[in-house]
Amino acid sequence: AQSVTQLGSHVSVSEGALVLLRCNYSSSVPPYLFWYVQYPNQGLQLLLKYTSAATLVKGINGFEAEFKKSETSFHLTKPSAHMSDAAEYFCAVSDEAGGFKTIFGAGTRLFVKA
Amino acid sequence: DAGVIQSPRHEVTEMGQEVTLRCKPISGHNSLFWYRQTMMRGLELLIYFNNNVPIDDSGMPEDRFSAKMPNASFSTLKIQPSEPRDSAVYFCASTPGEGRSYNEQFFGPGTRLTVL
Repeated sequence: AQSVTQLGSHVSVSEGALVLLRCNYSSSVPPYLFWYVQYPNQGLQLLLKYTSAATLVKGINGFEAEFKKSETSFHLTKPSAHMSDAAEYFCAVSDEAGGFKTIFGAGTRLFVKA
Repeated sequence: DAGVIQSPRHEVTEMGQEVTLRCKPISGHNSLFWYRQTMMRGLELLIYFNNNVPIDDSGMPEDRFSAKMPNASFSTLKIQPSEPRDSAVYFCASTPGEGRSYNEQFFGPGTRLTVL
């Protein structure tokens, strides 16, 4: 069975500081991994996804994530936080055997201090 | 492209009333998902359809909840009778099923339901 664990329900960083949001997954088959972002009063939107083509995945707004099979991790990073990055971030996993059913983590709310 | 469309955006009703939430997926997408989001439980998958057929409804809370997808361009989620604990934001999402974005979920703006 697939599962996703996001470490830390809240993360606070200063503007300009490194952003690191942690995600570990469990999957019995090669997974597809995603990061989605949710801004207040909006639906989720895709930041980036891993589909085995490359272990370092670049997404929108300067975010990137690295797939590490040995650590079963897919952590999200951004070198320099901006105030507009304040949102909730969800890590997710799916596989073709699941018919594209996607399992979402509990989410991490990112706060950016001026 | 208009994106996933949900209606209404906000719904306030009284306990015991029937509530119907509507979703129009992106044209050409072949999978549709209904989620519920609350502070306590986070984002929960309620049910999903593939080519209009319900595939997994194990997340539907109880018999008061039902979902239909009569055609590729429309789905409903109905709660009858509604209860205060059903208060949440309900999201609909669709997936292309082919192409570069084949397994990406495209979310609608959500329906905020308040049951008094």
